[in-house]
Amino acid sequence: GAVVSQHPSRVICKSGTSVKIECRSLDFQATTMFWYRQFPKQSLMLMATSNEGSKATYEQGVEKDKFLINHASLTLSTLTVTSAHPEDSSFYICSARPRTGVNSPLHFGNGTRLTVT
Amino acid sequence: DAKTTQPPSMDCAEGRAANLPCNHSTISGNEYVYWYRQIHSQGPQYIIHGLKNNETNEMASLIITEDRKSSTLILPHATLRDTAVYYCIVRDYQAGTALIFGKGTTLSVSS
Repeated sequence: GAVVSQHPSRVICKSGTSVKIECRSLDFQATTMFWYRQFPKQSLMLMATSNEGSKATYEQGVEKDKFLINHASLTLSTLTVTSAHPEDSSFYICSARPRTGVNSPLHFGNGTRLTVT
Repeated sequence: DAKTTQPPSMDCAEGRAANLPCNHSTISGNEYVYWYRQIHSQGPQYIIHGLKNNETNEMASLIITEDRKSSTLILPHATLRDTAVYYCIVRDYQAGTALIFGKGTTLSVSS
């Protein structure tokens, strides 16, 4: 089945630094990738939609200058949390839609646990 | 996208069938029903999806009512590893948009 790989799985960083999270589709091309975050005991919240070769679309309330998204190829999207603060500590999850078939199920990475100290 | 309603929690004995209901009374004709589950501290896992016919795969069966206003996910022989949060999501196929997650149903399977 389709595999989405996220790296790193866990990261701890100091307040004020930046962290980059990678999302790769390993065995399919993905023109669109989605980024979510999940706080403890809550559901996944969509942050942004990432389209290959164009600017990402951010959900209301998500700061585009803080959460930089780059989707430079059909198999890789990155999320950079800039000037991280403790309140950015969360579980970040990406998903990707195979290029073929809008009804194809989205596939998810295993998430990145970010802790900002 | 149409909204879904699921019970917050359900219990199931190991080896028995787990039947997880979902109401989606405002579903439109071009919306599919998707089921995902999330085991603690992992990304969501795709289970099954359907439009109007019942579907079955190696993981589960999906029963959609004739009026499409509700559906049931069936795990035929639940195991302890099926303990997870199960999400029922309806999605407009034309949009190719993200999945929007509700609160889901926490299924607890016990021995």
